[in-house]
Amino acid sequence: QVLLVQSGAEVKKPGASVRVSCKTSGYSFTSYDVTWVRQAPGQGLEWMGWMNPDSGNAGYAQQFQGRLTMTRDTSISTAYMELNSLRSEDTAVYYCARGTHDLDVWGQGTTVTVSS
Amino acid sequence: DIVMTQSPDSLAVSLGERATINCKSSQSVLYSSNNKNYLTWYQQKPGQPPKLLIYWASTRESGVPDRFSGSGSGTDFTLTISSLQAEDVAIYYCQQCYNTPRTFGGGTRVEIK
Repeated sequence: QVLLVQSGAEVKKPGASVRVSCKTSGYSFTSYDVTWVRQAPGQGLEWMGWMNPDSGNAGYAQQFQGRLTMTRDTSISTAYMELNSLRSEDTAVYYCARGTHDLDVWGQGTTVTVSS
Repeated sequence: DIVMTQSPDSLAVSLGERATINCKSSQSVLYSSNNKNYLTWYQQKPGQPPKLLIYWASTRESGVPDRFSGSGSGTDFTLTISSLQAEDVAIYYCQQCYNTPRTFGGGTRVEIK
């Protein structure tokens, strides 16, 4: 069974950083890209970027350039998303998903709340 | 960036009736080298992550009921639920995967009339 299990909810102050993990199982981690998508409260889906776990190469949406880093640890089949210089507008549920073109398995989501 | 525009924002359909959702891209998402439209549909129920329904505009994901179908090419696409069931109440999103950023439509909420 393919699973993506994300880390727990986070509460951060403006200006801080957050790192969300996405532990995968049930498939070859390095064979599929990992995509990150976020959803602000009551809003639609926003594509953040993707990472190739084999090479470590990543691509980010322009609005996150300089603040967003996607990494991985292949020894534990886990992808990470780190977002810096948090602001209130970054309050959202963050999802990891397997794939690039068709996201066929999703994590359960991690709620990140940015509040002073 | 490719802008994805969905319509309507919401619709209410009687059980057993047809629901039709439209999605328009600001530029073609048809990849000429393989003649595939890089257009994906997702379903999201409250409190859950999105679920993949259809990829390449018309290919149903394994396990998705055949009452869901996708059509269209180039810039205009449609998701059809042929006979709405109670469990289909959700928000539906289209997404283009032609280039990055892989933008989503704003979503269409489907409810029971």
